[in-house]
Amino acid sequence: GAGVSQSPSNKVTEKGKDVELRCDPISGHTALYWYRQSLGQGLEFLIYFQGNSAPDKSGLPSDRFSAERTGGSVSTLTIQRTQQEDSAVYLCASSLGGAFDEQYFGPGTRLTVT
Amino acid sequence: LAKTTQPISMDSYEGQEVNITCSHNNIATNDYITWYQQFPSQGPRFIIQGYKTKVTNEVASLFIPADRKSSTLSLPRVSLSDTAVYYCLVEDRGSTLGRLYFGRGTQLTVWP
Repeated sequence: GAGVSQSPSNKVTEKGKDVELRCDPISGHTALYWYRQSLGQGLEFLIYFQGNSAPDKSGLPSDRFSAERTGGSVSTLTIQRTQQEDSAVYLCASSLGGAFDEQYFGPGTRLTVT
Repeated sequence: LAKTTQPISMDSYEGQEVNITCSHNNIATNDYITWYQQFPSQGPRFIIQGYKTKVTNEVASLFIPADRKSSTLSLPRVSLSDTAVYYCLVEDRGSTLGRLYFGRGTQLTVWP
């Protein structure tokens, strides 16, 4: 079956512009995660959605970052007024159940802020 | 939250067995040990998970000593396609949070 998909695969934007990154999780997966990976670094947790519960936003680095998940499926990560330090690969993952089920990652969106 | 320490890089040759050791001195009772693999330009992929002793699947083995303060991922007879970054994680199953904490991982390079 289809895995986690993300779009766009690459995004170049000018400093100060807003960007939206999309994640389509595996069908039937109730949990969805966003991570960020800077060059040569490990992954940094951003936000976690589980079913209809309020999301865990504790990893979002600033109020310029927000995310939503519509209908318990597709998720959009929005970065407002982008800064050069936002440049990274943004990875989305989904899991079948709740916390600690195996997470399946998408290929990521490479964001470059010029 | 238990912190993990693993080598930054390792080199091996095709056909050899590779053992990557991870230290997690502050591991708690509820913590599980999980390893992920990441190829360039791809998201991480789950390899194996364990709590104690030994776990084996079709890809790797995971050895965890009795004190659980370290773990060793063993990859038998590696090939060039095993070149990747390997992450050791400790997951707190006593927490309601599902986030994974990734360090910088170990870059394994397999040479012909």
